[in-house]
Amino acid sequence: DVKVTQSSRYLVKRTGEKVFLECVQDMDHENMFWYRQDPGLGLRLIYFSYDVKMKEKGDIPEGYSVSREKKERFSLILESASTNQTSMYLCASSLVNQETQYFGPGTRLLVL
Amino acid sequence: AQSVTQLDSHVSVSEGTPVLLRCNYSSSYSPSLFWYVQHPNKGLQLLLKYTSAATLVKGINGFEAEFKKSETSFHLTKPSAHMSDAAEYFCVVSAQAGGFKTIFGAGTRLFVKA
Repeated sequence: DVKVTQSSRYLVKRTGEKVFLECVQDMDHENMFWYRQDPGLGLRLIYFSYDVKMKEKGDIPEGYSVSREKKERFSLILESASTNQTSMYLCASSLVNQETQYFGPGTRLLVL
Repeated sequence: AQSVTQLDSHVSVSEGTPVLLRCNYSSSYSPSLFWYVQHPNKGLQLLLKYTSAATLVKGINGFEAEFKKSETSFHLTKPSAHMSDAAEYFCVVSAQAGGFKTIFGAGTRLFVKA
């Protein structure tokens, strides 16, 4: 079974702090994704990566950056957290040219 | 362009009665369609997917969905609801057009009454 893990289930940060969310997958998937999930809006893609050191902006990249130094690890960075970034963050992975995505359990981030 | 619309934000059923969660889509390409389920405080889990084979797709936990091209619909059904089915369900459309583009619906929360 594919396993996608996220470094924290719950996180509380202050406005202006730098925040790192980490995601690790154990199935050698090429593609990795970061989404945020807000009530009534479904999942919105922040960034995705199709290879090490490669990244593409999703639909809502503003205020976020990402890093992929190793194939199994994809990090989401909030350079200066703001209250409107309070949300559930979901990481996912998939094989190249395969559409089925496998999700981690999510990180619920609260920015005060 | 692609889009997906889940027609109900909330659905409430009694245990043992049928479940119908409605999804309409649009796509300029031959899409793949998915249903995912999310239980409280969990990630999304794949229920089933349609990828241009049989139009009636069976998934896990007794769920199935029928792809109807003429109606651009991909509704999710289950003959008899169980309490453990209470969750949020997402309809997803994906197509390859110079790279995969995946769009998630807004979600339908299913309540199951005893």
